[in-house]
Amino acid sequence: GAVVSQHPSRVICKSGTSVKIECRSLDFQATTMFWYRQFPKQSLMLMATSNEGSKATYEQGVEKDKFLINHASLTLSTLTVTSAHPEDSSFYICSAEDQGRRSSYEQYFGPGTRLTVT
Amino acid sequence: EDQVTQSPEALRLQEGESSSLNCSYTVSGLRGLFWYRQDPGKGPEFLFTLYSAGEEKEKERLKATLTKKESFLHITAPKPEDSATYLCAVQASGGSYIPTFGRGTSLIVHP
Repeated sequence: GAVVSQHPSRVICKSGTSVKIECRSLDFQATTMFWYRQFPKQSLMLMATSNEGSKATYEQGVEKDKFLINHASLTLSTLTVTSAHPEDSSFYICSAEDQGRRSSYEQYFGPGTRLTVT
Repeated sequence: EDQVTQSPEALRLQEGESSSLNCSYTVSGLRGLFWYRQDPGKGPEFLFTLYSAGEEKEKERLKATLTKKESFLHITAPKPEDSATYLCAVQASGGSYIPTFGRGTSLIVHP
């Protein structure tokens, strides 16, 4: 149980285009999902907290107009990187907390999406 | 501000050579401490949650322990397939419940 998927796993796009990344909780519901960015050999950097049915909460320094987050249902959150530039190239990972296991608190992570902007 | 410090940054072991990874933390009330394993190019995989000092959890060759200031991940007789980065995170009680992650320990086990 507690499986999170991401799509796509890898994407290459041209500078100036937009890219959408999907995060799905496959066997549980998640009111809240989290989006992280990870640079090589570094730890996870939280970008934003995605809340179902409401606006996302962005961490300081993360441009909300550039990284659009939509949490359309209890099992789906999307991250859209708008007008991507090479500096947006990174590994993007989502996570979710299983609402059915509120007593356990751990987050379950997706497999990540490698974005390369050329 | 919650803080998590993991040591060492990198660890090389011979197969069968047991060792421990450290996670020191400061948090205003601990809701949970988490250990994850991350392989290159993949998302973190959940290993353990610890809630209170004195608690221990085991899974195969891994054993996690918790005190009021730190947690240890003990690896007994490691195998090459245990090579990965191990991440520690804490979640504070009250507030947003957003976990704070350490930088991780990169473990390489040589055959």
